[in-house]
Order: sequence, then structure tokens, then C-alpha cells
Amino acid sequence: SQQGEEDPQALSIQEGENATMNCSYKTSINNLQWYRQNSGRGLVHLILIRSNEREKHSGRLRVTLDTSKKSSSLLITASRAADTASYFCATVPDSGAGSYQLTFGKGTKLSVIP
Amino acid sequence: EAQVTQNPRYLITVTGKKLTVTCSQNMNHEYMSWYRQDPGLGLRQIYYSMNVEVTDKGDVPEGYKVSRKEKRNFPLILESPSPNQTSLYFCASSLSQQVTDTQYFGPGTRLTVL
Repeated sequence: SQQGEEDPQALSIQEGENATMNCSYKTSINNLQWYRQNSGRGLVHLILIRSNEREKHSGRLRVTLDTSKKSSSLLITASRAADTASYFCATVPDSGAGSYQLTFGKGTKLSVIP
Repeated sequence: EAQVTQNPRYLITVTGKKLTVTCSQNMNHEYMSWYRQDPGLGLRQIYYSMNVEVTDKGDVPEGYKVSRKEKRNFPLILESPSPNQTSLYFCASSLSQQVTDTQYFGPGTRLTVL
């Protein structure tokens, strides 16, 4: 079952602009993770944010988490052409039996125009 | 170099001919899993393993088998492949038994079943 849903499906911006992608999910989570995928290649982990965290930063990346709204956002500041990729959010459910499954959304395709 | 490797990277086969896609990690990770990626559907989990000899079904396990006889290896077996199993497959691993930290992905295996 698809837990996370990214919005928008596609985003095109000019180099230097900021890019914001959103992820909504349905059930309570242990953590939420963001990944990047360059054109058919393997996914690369960007940031993991736990359910008790509200914001995390990593270089030009900023992730927020609002558990009351069941949503997260990924902000890439001062975008570069090399940021062109698909971005996925993935959620791990908060399960009393243990958190063993990672469920991905369908992704946001970001194009950064030089 | 810490990595997840998959073989083969590309495979074209015919309906019904058994095949195995290998996955190996050199990071002493507990958790390993398989995903398939299809256009418009994102990544969907096929099987996962929390430890040696412990495996469980993901969201789309039909038509697949796995085994975890050694910690480092997690092969994906298609006993009788069908055209609807044409897809891009990814293996992933993470340190802890639960999905509470970074997932490391392999480079992917593009499978075509004729």
C-alpha cells in the first residue's frame, strides 16, 4: 500500500531558485526518510527525520515534519543543475510489533534549468 | 568501499525460465530488502529480512522467493517469471533490524521478461 504521496509530481525551476516538495502520509510513523534518484539509478539517502523531530538540516536541504497534519516537506535551497533528479519520501510505520517496512511514495521529478 | 552490489545489472529472459538476482552487502547490515520500481507506481517492497534465516513478505511478494542463509547475501528468485515482472529491481540494506536508519541501495537490475 502506498503510504507517502509527494506533491507536486513534477517541478521545473531555474538554477539558483529554491525547490519545495511535499509528502503526505496516512498512518502514524516512526520516521520519514527522503531519497534522491538520478534517472534509473539507485536511490541515495538524503535525510531521516524521526516522529519526535520537527526540522532537520543537511547542507542545502531542509526537511520539516508535521505529525499533526501527517505531512513533510523537503526544501532545496539555491538549486543547481546537478539537483535534477526524482525525490521520494518513504515512511516507516509506528508499530508496536516493530518497524520493519519502508513504504515509498511515487516521487517528485525535479528539473533544474541552468 | 561500503556498498550493496547486485548482479546482473541487466537481464532479458523468457517466460517461465527460472532466474536469480543476487544481492550482497559488505557493511555487516542486519536488514535487507528487495523493491521493484515501475513507472507511475514508485517503489514497492517485495520481501525483507531482519536477520539471517528471517524473512517476511512486503507489499508485492507474489511470484518471488528470497532466502537469507548468510548475513551478507539476499538473493531474489523468480521461479517462473512472467512479463508482468518486467521491472527495475533494487536491493537495499540497513544497519539495524528495524527500518530506523539509513537504507543503502544497490545500483538496480533491469529485468525484461518476454
